Amino acid sequence: SQQGEEDPQALSIQEGENATMNCSYKTSINNLQWYRQNSGRGLVHLILIRSNEREKHSGRLRVTLDTSKKSSSLLITASRAADTASYFCATEGGAAGNKLTFGGGTRVLVKP
Amino acid sequence: NAGVTQTPKFQVLKTGQSMTLQCAQDMNHNSMYWYRQDPGMGLRLIYYSASEGTTDKGEVPNGYNVSRLNKREFSLRLESAAPSQTSVYFCASMRRPNTGELFFGEGSRLTVL
Repeated sequence: SQQGEEDPQALSIQEGENATMNCSYKTSINNLQWYRQNSGRGLVHLILIRSNEREKHSGRLRVTLDTSKKSSSLLITASRAADTASYFCATEGGAAGNKLTFGGGTRVLVKP
Repeated sequence: NAGVTQTPKFQVLKTGQSMTLQCAQDMNHNSMYWYRQDPGMGLRLIYYSASEGTTDKGEVPNGYNVSRLNKREFSLRLESAAPSQTSVYFCASMRRPNTGELFFGEGSRLTVL
């Protein structure tokens, strides 16, 4: 069973707009991570936020974590065509122990 | 700087055939993982090895076996392939559990007819 569930499943935006996607999970976690997957490729780590952190930034990425609501959001600002990819949240800890459990992903299309 | 290397990239099997997916990492990581990715299902953990000499079942281990050959290599074996095992398989490694990011290979696309 999946620990994380992303919302929306798919997102289409214009270049320059912001993209926001959400992840909800079910049990306690040590950390939550976001990954990007370009079509036909492996996943690439974007950012990790620990359970005692509320917000983290990396370049055009902003991640928030609300442990009381068991949810996280990933914001990509000023999107580019190269941001077109699937984005996955993954949780570590809780019921999954030391293993990362992935959600189903959000497919993002950035139109030039 | 190869990172995580998986072979083969593509494979077509008939039902009942066996095969082994190979994975090697050159980052001196302790932990290695095998995931499968199916449309709309995200990634599901098949088996993992927290350190050399140990292996543990993940979420969907049935029909698979693994071998942690040494610190670098972690193989996944399908003894008798079934159509339900048609999927894209990803190997990944992590420096050690709870330390952060997984590094992924490029995937092995398996079709079982």
